[in-house]
Amino acid sequence: ETGVTQSPTHLIKTRGQQVTLRCSSQSGHNTVSWYQQALGQGPQFIFQYYREEENGRGNFPPRFSGLQFPNYSSELNVNALELDDSALYLCASSPDPIYEQYFGPGTRLTVT
Amino acid sequence: QKEVEQDPGPLSVPEGAIVSLNCTYSNSAFQYFMWYRQYSRKGPELLMYTYSSGNKEDGRFTAQVDKSSKYISLFIRDSQPSDSATYLCAMSAEIGIQGAQKLVFGQGTRLTINP
Repeated sequence: ETGVTQSPTHLIKTRGQQVTLRCSSQSGHNTVSWYQQALGQGPQFIFQYYREEENGRGNFPPRFSGLQFPNYSSELNVNALELDDSALYLCASSPDPIYEQYFGPGTRLTVT
Repeated sequence: QKEVEQDPGPLSVPEGAIVSLNCTYSNSAFQYFMWYRQYSRKGPELLMYTYSSGNKEDGRFTAQVDKSSKYISLFIRDSQPSDSATYLCAMSAEIGIQGAQKLVFGQGTRLTINP
């Protein structure tokens, strides 16, 4: 059974640019949640997707957006990057929106 | 005030010691309680998942939940150097429709087990 995978592992962007991060959910999981983890902090909830629809959102501005595809993989898009967007972005999948979440290895984004 | 409070440490103990990690929370609506382990530059790994007050044991790990005091704990027995990591407590809150859950995390406690 393949776990949650994310790509790329690490990337560097310039302030004002746009970035797309990708996540493949664990086999059999239909729900994907995205979290942002700043250095030395716990992850913060960005949003959740269930069957291709946004199912809930945290306190993040609209320039953070997402998609979920029919195979339940997902993308996180961030527009107009700011220095404070530098963080580890984590994707978590679950078999259903109410069940436990399993995390991928994360994508480390550095904004200069 | 944060919804979930966790002492960031660092915590350093000798190999074989019993480790106690704790979190307090303020939101009585939290439904599920979890502990994750995160190694440096890796994603969090789910260790324990509980719903009700009481204890849950899995090998060397015991999770304890006291909903009346809004307090959860993780105990690690016979600690090993490979247990050195950051431990994150997490609690689930309902969002959106169909009882969907988001996780609210503590800051994480950095633990080092010394050989």
